[in-house]
Amino acid sequence: KNEVEQSPQNLTAQEGEFITINCSYSVGISALHWLQQHPGGGIVSLFMLSSGKKKHGRLIATINIQEKHSSLHITASHPRDSAVYICAPLTQGGSEKLVFGKGTKLTVNP
Amino acid sequence: NAGVTQTPKFRILKIGQSMTLQCAQDMNHNYMYWYRQDPGMGLKLIYYSVGAGITDKGEVPNGYNVSRSTTEDFPLRLELAAPSQTSVYFCASSAYNEQFFGPGTRLTVL
Repeated sequence: KNEVEQSPQNLTAQEGEFITINCSYSVGISALHWLQQHPGGGIVSLFMLSSGKKKHGRLIATINIQEKHSSLHITASHPRDSAVYICAPLTQGGSEKLVFGKGTKLTVNP
Repeated sequence: NAGVTQTPKFRILKIGQSMTLQCAQDMNHNYMYWYRQDPGMGLKLIYYSVGAGITDKGEVPNGYNVSRSTTEDFPLRLELAAPSQTSVYFCASSAYNEQFFGPGTRLTVL
């Protein structure tokens, strides 16, 4: 069983729809990153959170440490949100190592 | 700041050739990482370093070597390239649990 499970693997939405991507993990963590990767592009960290909820513009990330679950929500989705979103828990132990989900490929159609 | 830089962007190798993937960061981060990303798979940690002169193996170190003589640079060496090393390679650096990724090197071994 993978240490990090994301769902769904692929998601197609119409512009304006509310999007949710889920992440469950089995390792002990000190924090969790949500990463974004555009086609052929680099990787950027959207959020790092260790409890509760964070919001940047139309993006919201939540985490429940007890349930080992995190969600990424996109409100009023736009075609420019089309990308792969990767859940990456930060493992405990002091070396700031990430483990990665396989990613969710989001396509937002106009 | 340039952030994390990687060279080259693309490279084609023949089986058995060797090469070094370069990675540099100008943020004075102690932690640096090398990952590989294969289609349909999550990112995998190859090697990491917690400071100059200190390196350690990650999840998939076989076929690779690293060195860290300065805080800024963390090169990844492939000694005898094999088709299984065809992948996209990302370098990253970290401080206070925030990770910053380089733009990636796309390597093909034929």
